[in-house]
Amino acid sequence: QKEVEQDPGPLSVPEGAIVSLNCTYSNSAFQYFMWYRQYSRKGPELLMYTYSSGNKEDGRFTAQVDKSSKYISLFIRDSQPSDSATYLCAMSFTGGGNKLTFGTGTQLKVEL
Amino acid sequence: EAGVAQSPRYKIIEKRQSVAFWCNPISGHATLYWYQQILGQGPKLLIQFQNNGVVDDSQLPKDRFSAERLKGVDSTLKIQPAKLEDSAVYLCASSLLSQTQYFGPGTRLLVL
Repeated sequence: QKEVEQDPGPLSVPEGAIVSLNCTYSNSAFQYFMWYRQYSRKGPELLMYTYSSGNKEDGRFTAQVDKSSKYISLFIRDSQPSDSATYLCAMSFTGGGNKLTFGTGTQLKVEL
Repeated sequence: EAGVAQSPRYKIIEKRQSVAFWCNPISGHATLYWYQQILGQGPKLLIQFQNNGVVDDSQLPKDRFSAERLKGVDSTLKIQPAKLEDSAVYLCASSLLSQTQYFGPGTRLLVL
């Protein structure tokens, strides 16, 4: 079993839709949860960063962490064609030397 | 502020040849990471440096991969000899003391 599981997609939605992206994990030591966006042929770019459980909102993006279920989500409201990319969840823990463990990424396409 | 720089952007070699990648982190970032991202997968940490010292190289295939960061600034990752399964994108990232890692554009390696 992988430490971090993520549905690879592809996920195709119409413009304006609400998108839900999810990851599950098995290591209860993870405390820091991140979402990265990766455009084709580019490096990952940090979107959201959350510590422990709870919600965090930034513009059209909301990150949720449920440590009791070992489940994290990223919601994108009013999705735009420019949101078309691969979304990677990543996690780390204190004492882990800042090492990130990534999911496989979900490919998202927002269509006009 | 300039981002993480990597070169070359693309490299094609034949198996058993050697190849080297270069990374220049964001100015002032003490921590530097090399990741391997195989097509359809999330990045996997190969090696992490704190200044010019190695923090974690547990997933680096040391029989063929080597990396150095001699002056605590830029870094070189080398593969010798290359295998077909080394075809991937090699990403460099850097960070200050926080969890936030900033990624470069990557070097796409194809081994024939």
